[in-house]
Amino acid sequence: EPEVTQTPSHQVTQMGQEVILRCVPISNHLYFYWYRQILGQKVEFLVSFYNNEISEKSEIFDDQFSVERPDGSNFTLKIRSTKLEDSAMYFCASSDYWTGENYGYTFGSGTRLTVV
Amino acid sequence: QQPVQSPQAVILREGEDAVINCSSSKALYSVHWYRQKHGEAPVFLMILLKGGEQKGHDKISASFNEKKQQSSLYLTASQLSYSGTYFCGTEYSGAGSYQLTFGKGTKLSVIP
Repeated sequence: EPEVTQTPSHQVTQMGQEVILRCVPISNHLYFYWYRQILGQKVEFLVSFYNNEISEKSEIFDDQFSVERPDGSNFTLKIRSTKLEDSAMYFCASSDYWTGENYGYTFGSGTRLTVV
Repeated sequence: QQPVQSPQAVILREGEDAVINCSSSKALYSVHWYRQKHGEAPVFLMILLKGGEQKGHDKISASFNEKKQQSSLYLTASQLSYSGTYFCGTEYSGAGSYQLTFGKGTKLSVIP
Protein backbone atom coordinates (compact mmCIF):
# COMPACT_ATOMS: atom_id res chain seq x y z
CA GLU A 1 0.00 0.00 0.00
CA PRO A 2 1.38 3.46 -0.89
CA GLU A 3 2.88 5.39 2.00
CA VAL A 4 3.75 8.92 2.95
CA THR A 5 7.34 8.95 4.15
CA GLN A 6 8.69 11.48 6.64
CA THR A 7 12.24 12.13 7.74
CA PRO A 8 13.70 12.40 10.26
CA SER A 9 11.53 10.51 12.71
CA HIS A 10 12.91 12.54 15.59
CA GLN A 11 14.77 15.84 15.62
CA VAL A 12 16.22 17.68 18.58
CA THR A 13 17.20 21.28 18.01
CA GLN A 14 18.27 24.25 20.07
CA MET A 15 15.97 27.19 20.46
CA GLY A 16 16.57 29.71 17.71
CA GLN A 17 17.85 27.19 15.20
CA GLU A 18 16.21 26.41 11.87
CA VAL A 19 14.86 22.96 11.05
CA ILE A 20 13.65 21.37 7.84
CA LEU A 21 11.19 18.52 8.01
CA ARG A 22 10.94 16.37 4.93
CA CYS A 23 8.08 14.42 3.40
CA VAL A 24 7.61 12.29 0.33
CA PRO A 25 3.87 12.22 -0.43
CA ILE A 26 2.15 9.47 -2.40
CA SER A 27 3.25 9.93 -5.98
CA ASN A 28 -0.09 10.44 -7.69
CA HIS A 29 -1.59 12.62 -4.99
CA LEU A 30 -2.25 16.25 -5.75
CA TYR A 31 -2.83 17.82 -2.34
CA PHE A 32 -0.29 18.02 0.45
CA TYR A 33 -0.67 19.10 4.03
CA TRP A 34 1.26 19.72 7.21
CA TYR A 35 -0.36 19.18 10.58
CA ARG A 36 1.09 19.22 14.05
CA GLN A 37 0.10 17.57 17.28
CA ILE A 38 1.35 18.74 20.61
CA LEU A 39 1.65 15.78 22.97
CA GLY A 40 -1.75 14.45 23.94
CA GLN A 41 -3.66 17.15 22.12
CA LYS A 42 -5.59 17.43 18.90
CA VAL A 43 -4.19 17.41 15.42
CA GLU A 44 -3.87 21.02 14.23
CA PHE A 45 -3.86 22.17 10.63
CA LEU A 46 -0.87 24.19 9.50
CA VAL A 47 -0.96 24.46 5.73
CA SER A 48 -2.28 22.91 2.54
CA PHE A 49 -0.44 22.93 -0.79
CA TYR A 50 -1.74 22.38 -4.29
CA ASN A 51 -0.35 23.05 -7.73
CA ASN A 52 2.94 24.28 -6.31
CA GLU A 53 1.48 26.90 -4.08
CA ILE A 54 -0.10 27.31 -0.68
CA SER A 55 -3.87 26.82 -0.81
CA GLU A 56 -4.63 27.64 2.79
CA LYS A 57 -2.79 28.24 5.99
CA SER A 58 -3.81 28.52 9.61
CA GLU A 59 -3.04 31.24 12.13
CA ILE A 60 -0.24 29.04 13.43
CA PHE A 61 1.50 29.17 10.06
CA ASP A 62 3.11 32.58 10.40
CA ASP A 63 6.30 33.98 8.90
CA GLN A 64 8.32 31.52 10.94
CA PHE A 65 7.09 28.71 8.71
CA SER A 66 7.50 28.00 5.02
CA VAL A 67 6.82 25.08 2.70
CA GLU A 68 8.42 24.04 -0.54
CA ARG A 69 8.19 21.34 -3.13
CA PRO A 70 11.77 21.56 -4.37
CA ASP A 71 11.41 18.71 -6.85
CA GLY A 72 8.70 16.35 -8.07
CA SER A 73 8.66 14.20 -4.98
CA ASN A 74 9.72 16.01 -1.81
CA PHE A 75 7.59 18.36 0.26
CA THR A 76 9.34 20.25 3.04
CA LEU A 77 8.37 22.30 6.06
CA LYS A 78 10.94 24.81 7.26
CA ILE A 79 10.69 26.30 10.72
CA ARG A 80 12.94 29.28 11.30
CA SER A 81 14.16 30.42 14.70
CA THR A 82 12.50 27.58 16.60
CA LYS A 83 10.82 28.21 19.94
CA LEU A 84 10.16 25.86 22.82
CA GLU A 85 6.45 25.83 21.97
CA ASP A 86 7.23 24.47 18.49
CA SER A 87 7.95 21.12 20.13
CA ALA A 88 5.36 18.74 18.71
CA MET A 89 4.81 15.84 16.35
CA TYR A 90 4.60 17.15 12.80
CA PHE A 91 2.60 15.10 10.34
CA CYS A 92 2.68 15.35 6.60
CA ALA A 93 -0.36 14.10 4.69
CA SER A 94 -1.44 13.82 1.10
CA SER A 95 -4.70 13.19 -0.70
CA ASP A 96 -5.96 12.69 -4.20
CA TYR A 97 -8.99 14.91 -4.08
CA TRP A 98 -10.57 13.93 -7.32
CA THR A 99 -10.69 10.17 -7.24
CA GLY A 100 -14.14 10.04 -5.78
CA GLU A 101 -15.38 9.41 -2.34
CA ASN A 102 -12.37 7.80 -0.82
CA TYR A 103 -10.07 10.77 -0.79
CA GLY A 104 -9.16 10.46 2.81
CA TYR A 105 -5.81 11.78 3.85
CA THR A 106 -2.85 9.46 4.12
CA PHE A 107 -0.61 10.58 6.96
CA GLY A 108 3.07 9.95 7.33
CA SER A 109 4.39 8.50 10.58
CA GLY A 110 5.48 11.95 11.74
CA THR A 111 8.57 13.80 12.87
CA ARG A 112 8.85 14.42 16.57
CA LEU A 113 10.47 17.83 16.98
CA THR A 114 11.97 18.65 20.36
CA VAL A 115 13.22 22.20 20.90
CA VAL A 116 15.55 22.58 23.87
CA GLN B 1 -13.85 26.42 14.30
CA GLN B 2 -13.19 22.88 15.35
CA PRO B 3 -15.88 20.21 15.56
CA VAL B 4 -16.91 19.03 19.00
CA GLN B 5 -16.51 15.37 19.82
CA SER B 6 -18.20 13.42 22.58
CA PRO B 7 -17.50 11.58 24.72
CA GLN B 8 -13.90 12.55 25.47
CA ALA B 9 -13.09 9.03 26.57
CA VAL B 10 -14.80 5.68 26.81
CA ILE B 11 -13.81 2.31 28.21
CA LEU B 12 -15.39 -0.81 26.77
CA ARG B 13 -15.13 -4.49 27.42
CA GLU B 14 -14.51 -6.64 24.39
CA GLY B 15 -17.75 -7.23 22.54
CA GLU B 16 -19.47 -4.05 23.73
CA ASP B 17 -20.66 -1.27 21.43
CA ALA B 18 -19.82 2.42 21.40
CA VAL B 19 -20.98 5.56 19.65
CA ILE B 20 -18.77 8.60 19.12
CA ASN B 21 -20.38 11.85 18.09
CA CYS B 22 -19.02 14.79 16.15
CA SER B 23 -20.92 18.03 15.78
CA SER B 24 -20.29 21.33 14.10
CA SER B 25 -21.65 24.84 14.40
CA LYS B 26 -21.08 25.41 10.68
CA ALA B 27 -22.58 23.71 7.62
CA LEU B 28 -20.52 20.69 6.68
CA TYR B 29 -19.33 19.55 3.28
CA SER B 30 -17.84 16.32 4.53
CA VAL B 31 -16.85 14.43 7.63
CA HIS B 32 -13.78 12.21 7.89
CA TRP B 33 -13.07 9.69 10.62
CA TYR B 34 -9.56 8.65 11.66
CA ARG B 35 -8.11 6.40 14.32
CA GLN B 36 -4.76 7.08 15.93
CA LYS B 37 -2.93 4.57 18.06
CA HIS B 38 -0.44 5.83 20.58
CA GLY B 39 2.73 7.11 18.94
CA GLU B 40 1.45 6.47 15.43
CA ALA B 41 -0.05 8.52 12.61
CA PRO B 42 -3.81 8.93 12.22
CA VAL B 43 -5.26 6.31 9.90
CA PHE B 44 -8.17 7.10 7.61
CA LEU B 45 -11.31 5.08 8.36
CA MET B 46 -13.98 6.63 6.14
CA ILE B 47 -15.43 9.78 4.69
CA LEU B 48 -19.06 10.82 4.45
CA LEU B 49 -20.03 13.32 1.80
CA LYS B 50 -23.78 13.45 1.61
CA GLY B 51 -26.43 14.15 4.14
CA GLY B 52 -28.04 10.95 5.27
CA GLU B 53 -25.10 8.92 4.09
CA GLN B 54 -24.04 5.90 6.05
CA LYS B 55 -20.92 3.88 5.50
CA GLY B 56 -19.16 1.05 7.18
CA HIS B 57 -16.68 -1.72 6.96
CA ASP B 58 -16.16 -4.61 9.30
CA LYS B 59 -17.96 -3.59 12.47
CA ILE B 60 -17.24 0.12 12.24
CA SER B 61 -19.79 2.35 10.56
CA ALA B 62 -20.74 6.01 10.48
CA SER B 63 -23.62 8.27 9.60
CA PHE B 64 -23.84 11.89 8.56
CA ASN B 65 -26.80 14.07 9.41
CA GLU B 66 -26.31 17.14 7.27
CA LYS B 67 -29.22 19.07 8.74
CA LYS B 68 -28.03 18.57 12.28
CA GLN B 69 -24.45 19.18 11.20
CA GLN B 70 -23.25 16.10 12.94
CA SER B 71 -21.83 12.67 12.37
CA SER B 72 -21.67 9.56 14.50
CA LEU B 73 -19.21 6.69 14.45
CA TYR B 74 -20.54 3.31 15.54
CA LEU B 75 -18.27 0.56 16.81
CA THR B 76 -20.03 -2.73 17.36
CA ALA B 77 -18.77 -5.87 19.06
CA SER B 78 -15.55 -4.04 19.91
CA GLN B 79 -12.21 -5.77 19.65
CA LEU B 80 -8.97 -5.03 21.48
CA SER B 81 -7.59 -3.66 18.21
CA TYR B 82 -10.17 -0.88 18.24
CA SER B 83 -8.36 0.86 21.08
CA GLY B 84 -7.02 4.26 20.15
CA THR B 85 -8.06 7.85 19.78
CA TYR B 86 -10.75 8.57 17.22
CA PHE B 87 -10.79 11.92 15.49
CA CYS B 88 -13.44 13.38 13.28
CA GLY B 89 -12.28 15.87 10.69
CA THR B 90 -14.62 18.28 9.01
CA GLU B 91 -14.61 20.26 5.80
CA TYR B 92 -16.96 23.20 5.65
CA SER B 93 -19.44 24.00 2.90
CA GLY B 94 -18.93 26.81 0.47
CA ALA B 95 -15.43 27.71 1.46
CA GLY B 96 -13.60 25.98 -1.38
CA SER B 97 -11.53 24.85 1.51
CA TYR B 98 -8.59 22.53 1.41
CA GLN B 99 -8.46 22.30 5.14
CA LEU B 100 -9.57 19.46 7.36
CA THR B 101 -10.26 20.59 10.90
CA PHE B 102 -10.02 17.93 13.57
CA GLY B 103 -11.89 17.58 16.81
CA LYS B 104 -10.06 16.97 20.06
CA GLY B 105 -10.53 13.24 19.78
CA THR B 106 -12.23 10.47 21.71
CA LYS B 107 -9.97 8.03 23.51
CA LEU B 108 -11.38 4.52 23.27
CA SER B 109 -9.98 1.79 25.44
CA VAL B 110 -11.13 -1.79 24.93
CA ILE B 111 -10.30 -4.15 27.76
CA PRO B 112 -10.58 -7.95 27.88
